[in-house]
Amino acid sequence: GESVGLHLPTLSVQEGDNSIINCAYSNSASDYFIWYKQESGKGPQFIIDIRSNMDKRQGQRVTVLLNKTVKHLSLQIAATQPGDSAVYFCAERGNFNKFYFGSGTKLNVKP
Amino acid sequence: GAVVSQHPSWVICKSGTSVKIECRSLDFQATTMFWYRQFPKQSLMLMATSNEGSKATYEQGVEKDKFLINHASLTLSTLTVTSAHPEDSSFYICSASPRQGTSPLHFGNGTRLTVT
Repeated sequence: GESVGLHLPTLSVQEGDNSIINCAYSNSASDYFIWYKQESGKGPQFIIDIRSNMDKRQGQRVTVLLNKTVKHLSLQIAATQPGDSAVYFCAERGNFNKFYFGSGTKLNVKP
Repeated sequence: GAVVSQHPSWVICKSGTSVKIECRSLDFQATTMFWYRQFPKQSLMLMATSNEGSKATYEQGVEKDKFLINHASLTLSTLTVTSAHPEDSSFYICSASPRQGTSPLHFGNGTRLTVT
């Protein structure tokens, strides 16, 4: 399947600061991307998505940026809270609506 | 909405036995479901696509005779790990989407399989 990778495996931030999690993808034909949050022992939880015809999308406290030129995604979390501590994955849609996941970034929020 | 449920949440079995994991879409119908496997501190790896009314399609390197998938109805897919061995111990997660087209997958809470 497609290769989706991350630059930073672990990120520690202070509560209240902004967090930026990065992801690189390899398939320039991918048309849809999703960020998921996974807490320990649970399945991934949808955070935000973006289509390839957009370069930015905002949600509540989260923003996803897509740079197709360099095949790069980022997730920005504003005013990071302890409840944001989890592992974050980007996922890339391939053929037949299959999603392939990046290696993940563990976010630690220090109180 | 778009709730996916898995059962059991955890299971321990002996080497050589088979284990069945169920995945249900509770409030929508899903012609397609996806099964993932996740080892500790690693990412989710797509194993196979479960297709209602037809055979599952498997990702490269996944043994179809080892991981039997049945999609008996529009709300139920099952994954059977046959003749389980300790190396099959993992976190198995299913997912589905309530809509065709560009929409996210919704995931179950996974099944922790431990083979002793």
